[in-house]
Amino acid sequence: GNSVTQMEGPVTLSEEAFLTINCTYTATGYPSLFWYVQYPGEGLQLLLKATKADDKGSNKGFEATYRKETTSFHLEKGSVQVSDSAVYFCALNSGGSNYKLTFGKGTLLTVNP
Amino acid sequence: EADIYQTPRYLVIGTGKKITLECSQTMGHDKMYWYQQDPGMELHLIHYSYGVNSTEKGDLSSESTVSRIRTEHFPLTLESARPSHTSQYLCASSEGNRGSYGYTFGSGTRLTVV
Repeated sequence: GNSVTQMEGPVTLSEEAFLTINCTYTATGYPSLFWYVQYPGEGLQLLLKATKADDKGSNKGFEATYRKETTSFHLEKGSVQVSDSAVYFCALNSGGSNYKLTFGKGTLLTVNP
Repeated sequence: EADIYQTPRYLVIGTGKKITLECSQTMGHDKMYWYQQDPGMELHLIHYSYGVNSTEKGDLSSESTVSRIRTEHFPLTLESARPSHTSQYLCASSEGNRGSYGYTFGSGTRLTVV
């Protein structure tokens, strides 16, 4: 079956530090890959996505590249801000007749001033 | 701006009460989902629907029930609330017939049963 493994948190960084949150997956076929962000007290918001190998998703300074050879979709940001403090979820959808997203367990990021 | 709405945002209720958590979307999406989120953040799929009159149980067993009489509406009901039902409940929807679309989430309902 499908599965997503992401870096366990919590992750604590200082403002302007470089961020990497690792995500690897197991899936049949050619899944689409997603990063979602959940700010305190809110639902999840789509941060970025990639739908085929070597695609790079980007949004709000965050980037992730779909690496089929390593089955990875690591999230990166060059300079984090306090406002980036949130929970980040990696997810995949293998499509076909199954439209359910498979989520990782989430990584809590705290950015200190 | 979110096009999927959950009410109430917060609910504190006594044990044994019947409750309904509302979820509505204005995007015309066929597919809708309910997730339970535990304090450790992990998301658990408890119900989903692929269209009107279609409902399925998710990966995590739940005492709640759902209905889908209209495309835009996917309410979740607990007939008799218990403290173990205390959690955050998230509703989501998705469009199309391709896995590339992802989900749109509501803001969630935080339920506390006392």
